[in-house]
Amino acid sequence: KAGVTQTPRYLIKTRGQQVTLSCSPISGHRSVSWYQQTPGQGLQFLFEYFSETQRNKGNFPGRFSGRQFSNSRSEMNVSTLELGDSALYLCASSPRTEETQYFGPGTRLLVL
Amino acid sequence: AQSVTQPDIHITVSEGASLELRCNYSYGATPYLFWYVQSPGQGLQLLLKYFSGDTLVQGIKGFEAEFKRSQSSFNLRKPSVHWSDAAEYFCAVGVYGGSQGNLIFGKGTKLSVKP
Repeated sequence: KAGVTQTPRYLIKTRGQQVTLSCSPISGHRSVSWYQQTPGQGLQFLFEYFSETQRNKGNFPGRFSGRQFSNSRSEMNVSTLELGDSALYLCASSPRTEETQYFGPGTRLLVL
Repeated sequence: AQSVTQPDIHITVSEGASLELRCNYSYGATPYLFWYVQSPGQGLQLLLKYFSGDTLVQGIKGFEAEFKRSQSSFNLRKPSVHWSDAAEYFCAVGVYGGSQGNLIFGKGTKLSVKP
């Protein structure tokens, strides 16, 4: 089976812009979770989607949002970008919640 | 709140030497425990997991980990380190629900391997 794929792999934006990141889970996986990784804060949970419904959300501002489509693909959106949003954004999929998560390669976002 | 502690930020070992990376967790119920590895600029790769049963679990690349409930620990071990093992290692506990998310990660231990 193909692994989790994320696009784009690298992205450069300027403050105030918005960005959309995409994640395609492993075939058959219906749960998709998003994490932000920074050197200072480590890995922090953003949100989880299962069957097109947000099941869980981390402590991030409303500028961070996401959605999941009927084919389980997921997107996350960050509006009004800030310098502190520069990070590696990781997507993980699992067959269902409470099962092992498999991670994609990540999208490296740089905000200038 | 649930948490995971990896006490060692950076460890350097010689190639061929044994390795033990420490992980302690704080969680009220029986935990689901994981070790992931991350090479520079890459995503996380699952090394091994513990859900229940035998407390010594085997993973990929020759790694193993032992769950010790009395010590709230899940240390990762490898008998002989290879240069390709240089990476960052993350311990995680599955909590499934709440604003902390489904996986709570430690801060990671960066492993350097000397030739």
